[in-house]
Amino acid sequence: AQSVTQLDSHVSVSEGTPVLLRCNYSSSYSPSLFWYVQHPNKGLQLLLKYTSAATLVKGINGFEAEFKKSETSFHLTKPSAHMSDAAEYFCVVSSSSGSARQLTFGSGTQLTVLP
Amino acid sequence: DGGITQSPKYLFRKEGQNVTLSCEQNLNHDAMYWYRQDPGQGLRLIYYSQIVNDFQKGDIAEGYSVSREKKESFPLTVTSAQKNPTAFYLCASSIFRMGTTEAFFGQGTRLTVV
Repeated sequence: AQSVTQLDSHVSVSEGTPVLLRCNYSSSYSPSLFWYVQHPNKGLQLLLKYTSAATLVKGINGFEAEFKKSETSFHLTKPSAHMSDAAEYFCVVSSSSGSARQLTFGSGTQLTVLP
Repeated sequence: DGGITQSPKYLFRKEGQNVTLSCEQNLNHDAMYWYRQDPGQGLRLIYYSQIVNDFQKGDIAEGYSVSREKKESFPLTVTSAQKNPTAFYLCASSIFRMGTTEAFFGQGTRLTVV
């Protein structure tokens, strides 16, 4: 069994300040972890993924995330927020079983960027 | 360019009517999915298919039906039995590589019951 908890449903930051979106997971398998971004009325776009290589993962648009096994966390960060970062972000865990069923989504974090 | 195409982008349905949402992919992926998204509830799995001519119920399959006659197509029918069909519907496909399943999404269809 696996699960994902996004600890904040809403996060507000000022433009130019750091972004932190928190994600904790549980998994019976060695997990792969993803962050997706969704702009209003759009599909989900992959930001970055962790697949048991380097624990610090760099993604698109200046985002990065660090896999911490001891804390079962995969928090998403960005040093300086931009207005275009305002969107909803989803943390996703995938097991290594290969089953199409084993994609589990967090409930999402809405990021607001204030001018 | 490879990708997933959902149509239409917006759809209106009268109560009591069935409606079919289209999903086509040219990524040559075996697995395809349908998710429903409601505000504040994340994505919930309706149906998924790991291979042609086979599909499985997800967490909220009641009131929905699917078919998978071709690898590239996975249409979703919202039937009149679905009590609250107004939502944003997302289609996805996935590939299993390097020990993980990675999903790719369409742009979604917003269904409104009027």
